[in-house]
Amino acid sequence: QVHLVESGGGLVKPGGSLRLSCAVSGLTFGDWYMAWIRQTPGKGLEWVSHITSSGDATYADSVKGRFAVSRDNARDSLYLQMNSLTAEDTAVYFCAREYYKRFDPWGQGTLVTVSS
Amino acid sequence: EIVLTQSPGTLSLSPGDRATLSCRASQSVSSSNLAWYQQKPGQAPRLLIYGASSRAYGIPDRFSGSGSGTDFTLTISRLEPEDFAVYYCQQYGSSPLFSFGPGTKVDIK
Repeated sequence: QVHLVESGGGLVKPGGSLRLSCAVSGLTFGDWYMAWIRQTPGKGLEWVSHITSSGDATYADSVKGRFAVSRDNARDSLYLQMNSLTAEDTAVYFCAREYYKRFDPWGQGTLVTVSS
Repeated sequence: EIVLTQSPGTLSLSPGDRATLSCRASQSVSSSNLAWYQQKPGQAPRLLIYGASSRAYGIPDRFSGSGSGTDFTLTISRLEPEDFAVYYCQQYGSSPLFSFGPGTKVDIK
């Protein structure tokens, strides 16, 4: 059974940085594209970034230049480095396997709160 | 940019009722690029339908998807108590690479 577990969320001040992790089990991690998706009560679900199995990344315009996605296939792990955080980045962040243009499964999410 | 609109915002129904949820795209979307998810409170979204009409693994056959172009529909033939949740459509396209609709909440009447 495929299992994804996010960690690293928390409270951070505006302008600060945070690194999220996603530990994956139950599949050959290196074979799959992976994605980060966030959810806020106001903006709903928003795709943030994806990374191909070979490490090429694409970002939403809202985070381009501030966020960086990476992966460690030896550790079956996905990461999201978030810099220059603002209140608008406050959200629950989910990692998910990107499976032929859809997301399945998802992790349980980790809450990031940007506030002074 | 492709924008997805879902209607209604809330659907109040009873167990055993039929639910019809709409997802409309601002531009044509390939059917292969349209998916539906279910989300319950405190949980992550779960894939229900992909390719507009194919059920994901383990999804009961009371869930069905249809549509093409700019208009897509998720139908739940007979609502079970566990089906009361929020439903999102999602498309794969250009910029942004992926986008989601705002969701339809199916609640108990």
